[in-house]
Amino acid sequence: DGGITQSPKYLFRKEGQNVTLSCEQNLNHDAMYWYRQDPGQGLRLIYYSQIVNDFQKGDIAEGYSVSREKKESFPLTVTSAQKNPTAFYLCASRAGTGRSYEQYFGPGTRLTVT
Amino acid sequence: QKEVEQDPGPLSVPEGAIVSLNCTYSNSAFQYFMWYRQYSRKGPELLMYTYSSGNKEDGRFTAQVDKSSKYISLFIRDSQPSDSATYLCAMSGRAGGTSYGKLTFGQGTILTVHP
Repeated sequence: DGGITQSPKYLFRKEGQNVTLSCEQNLNHDAMYWYRQDPGQGLRLIYYSQIVNDFQKGDIAEGYSVSREKKESFPLTVTSAQKNPTAFYLCASRAGTGRSYEQYFGPGTRLTVT
Repeated sequence: QKEVEQDPGPLSVPEGAIVSLNCTYSNSAFQYFMWYRQYSRKGPELLMYTYSSGNKEDGRFTAQVDKSSKYISLFIRDSQPSDSATYLCAMSGRAGGTSYGKLTFGQGTILTVHP
């Protein structure tokens, strides 16, 4: 089955620790995105990547970092510099060709930092 | 003012009712419009995708776009308890050059359909 996988589903960390969230897709999509979802705030864009070895900051990139070494993978690191890291993190991908603007989402990772 | 406004609800309806969900937007560059359904603690699932103004129907779901009023709607006919979820509208302008097909989301409407 084609799709996007995120792991783990739940993640618990102590304050001050960096943590990396995994995102893998087998849809052969060019573009990948990371969003953060907080209650009542919709989805906010953290980082995006249109092609391998290239990525750009979104609206709330501070305290986060990403890499895009392979087309299939777009891991997100939540660093200790992120002031409020507890949230639901969603990865998405888009074909990136023609007029296909719809994005497809993974199941999400719920991160809790205490 | 947010670029996309969506009434967060919550909205509660009896089974079989017609549900109307709406978003307004301010950016006239938006041309591509989407509705996502998100069950609790899950990722959003794409329901409908429309380009420019007009209607699109898929089973019990109808998406409407009125670009002149900057207003989009999702109608659910014969609503079922399984339709209980958060519904997110999303929209994008044309990608090109350094643009990246960014989606701007509404904050979501929580819908409950009770038996």
